[in-house]
Amino acid sequence: SQQGEEDPQALSIQEGENATMNCSYKTSINNLQWYRQNSGRGLVHLILIRSNEREKHSGRLRVTLDTSKKSSSLLITASRAADTASYFCATVPVAGTALIFGKGTTLSVSS
Amino acid sequence: GAGVSQSPSNKVTEKGKDVELRCDPISGHTALYWYRQSLGQGLEFLIYFQGNSAPDKSGLPSDRFSAERTGGSVSTLTIQRTQQEDSAVYLCASSLQQGRTDTQYFGPGTRLTVL
Repeated sequence: SQQGEEDPQALSIQEGENATMNCSYKTSINNLQWYRQNSGRGLVHLILIRSNEREKHSGRLRVTLDTSKKSSSLLITASRAADTASYFCATVPVAGTALIFGKGTTLSVSS
Repeated sequence: GAGVSQSPSNKVTEKGKDVELRCDPISGHTALYWYRQSLGQGLEFLIYFQGNSAPDKSGLPSDRFSAERTGGSVSTLTIQRTQQEDSAVYLCASSLQQGRTDTQYFGPGTRLTVL
């Protein structure tokens, strides 16, 4: 079963604009991770935020976590055409081991 | 260093045939996971190996699916009597050890098409 649900399902922006993707989940988590996938193949780990953290930065990425609302957001600033990909949030439930993925947000950045 | 590798990259088979998919994890990684991604969907957990412990098979969709991990390294996912709904990308991931903050590193996947 899926835990995370990303919103929006698809997002189209121009280069230089910021992209914000949201993720909601259902059960208590140990941590939440964001992954990127190009062309439907291997996933690349972007960032991990623990349940006791509220915000984390990595380069042009900013992730927030609100455990009271069971939601997270991924912000990509100053987007580039190379950021075009699908982005997935994945959670590790408190009582689980494997990642549980949402269906993803497809981001298209046009130059 | 080398990442997670999977073979074959693409597999086309006829309904009813058996297939084997292979995963070579990153050297030294004790945890190995198999996921399945159907068209336009998120990833679905299938099975998890950690060291010498019994695998967590809770995600396997039917008894036609099985997996083994030999010598704590290479893993093979076997699908018997394939069905068209088995068509998907099968992704393998490994992590250093079973820990909930461990990053999982994914292979490029095997795209399985069942005709």
